[in-house]
Formats: sequence, C-alpha cells, structure tokens
Amino acid sequence: GAVVSQHPSRVICKSGTSVKIECRSLDFQATTMFWYRQFPKQSLMLMATSNEGSKATYEQGVEKDKFLINHASLTLSTLTVTSAHPEDSSFYICSAYTSFNQPQHFGDGTRLSIL
Amino acid sequence: QKEVEQNSGPLSVPEGAIASLNCTYSDRGSQSFFWYRQYSGKSPELIMSIYSNGDKEDGRFTAQLNKASQYVSLLIRDSQPSDSATYLCAVNEKDSNYQLIWGAGTKLIIKP
Repeated sequence: GAVVSQHPSRVICKSGTSVKIECRSLDFQATTMFWYRQFPKQSLMLMATSNEGSKATYEQGVEKDKFLINHASLTLSTLTVTSAHPEDSSFYICSAYTSFNQPQHFGDGTRLSIL
Repeated sequence: QKEVEQNSGPLSVPEGAIASLNCTYSDRGSQSFFWYRQYSGKSPELIMSIYSNGDKEDGRFTAQLNKASQYVSLLIRDSQPSDSATYLCAVNEKDSNYQLIWGAGTKLIIKP
C-alpha cells in the first residue's frame, strides 16, 4: 500500500517552455502532498506543501509564480514549472502521507533538463 | 531552527559486518522518526519508522530511539553491497503540517 506515482520520469525541453509534473496517490487519499527539489550530490530541499482545495504553502526563496502547484483532488497534485530556464534543471520529487504522523511516501521523481 | 544532524560519511563497512548510522535531532517535541534509503539518481525509499523509545527490528534492519538523548540510529546487520546508498534520517515536524525535517544523509559504502 501507500503508492505514489509521479509522471513524467524525465523531461528534456527548450528554455522558455512550461513543464507540468503530476503526482498521484494510487491507493490512498492525500490531503497533503509535498514537492521537493534535489540538485546533484545535494540534500532534498522542500519547495512547497500542497494542500487539497487550498493554496500551496511555499518555502522561503521559492517563487510561487514560477512553480505553480494545483492540488485539485485528494489523489492528484501538479507542479508546473513556468518558463523554465537551464537553472531550473533538477530532480523534482513529490511525496504524500496516508495520515498525520505517518511517513511520507515518495514518487519516483522527475528529472528535468532545460536546454 | 529545528535541525537533524547526521555524519555525512562516507562510512565504509566490510560486507557481512554491521553498519551503524546515527542521527541527532533538536526538537524535543518530535514524535515520529524515519530512516530512508536513497540510491544515486533515485527518490528516497522508506526503510524504517519508529515512534517510541527502544529498538524496532525489521529483517536485517534495527532502528533505535532514545528520546531523552534526542538520538536515533539505524543498524544494518550482515551488510550487503546492495546496501550501499545514502541513508537519510527524517523527523516529523508536528507544528508545520507534519513536514519532515531532514538530515543531510550518510553515504554508506559496503566493500565486498
């Protein structure tokens, strides 16, 4: 149980393109999902907390107008990187928990490469 | 600032030996503690959860929690080369929508 599916797994696109990443909880409802970014050889960095039916909570330094998060249902959150540039190239990972105080379960991640 | 600290390593352990990974945390109010394994280029994978003082065993893995000392550890018995990865300690942040506070991770290398 507690499976999180993330798509696509890899995206390569030109600078200026907007990219949408989907995160789905397959066998549980997730009122809260998390979006992380990880650069090579660095730690996970929490970007934002996605709350179903309300606005996402962004961490300090994360541009909310650049990283649009929509959590429209209890099983789906999307992250859209708008007008992506090479510095946005990174490994983006989503996670969700089944209930409070339980571990987060991660999607397989999306490797984004902006040319 | 709530923190979780781990030795970054690398920690090198011979195959078949016990690997011991340690983690300390600053928030005395923390209630949930997790160990994740992350292979290079992959997303984190949950290894163990522990919520109360003492030991919790699952196969070759044992998590140990000491809330008084604010210390949590992970023991891996009969280490295998496939255990080579970065191990991340994470502590639940009750006051912030149950976000996880992450350690920087310990890189473990199991030498055949």
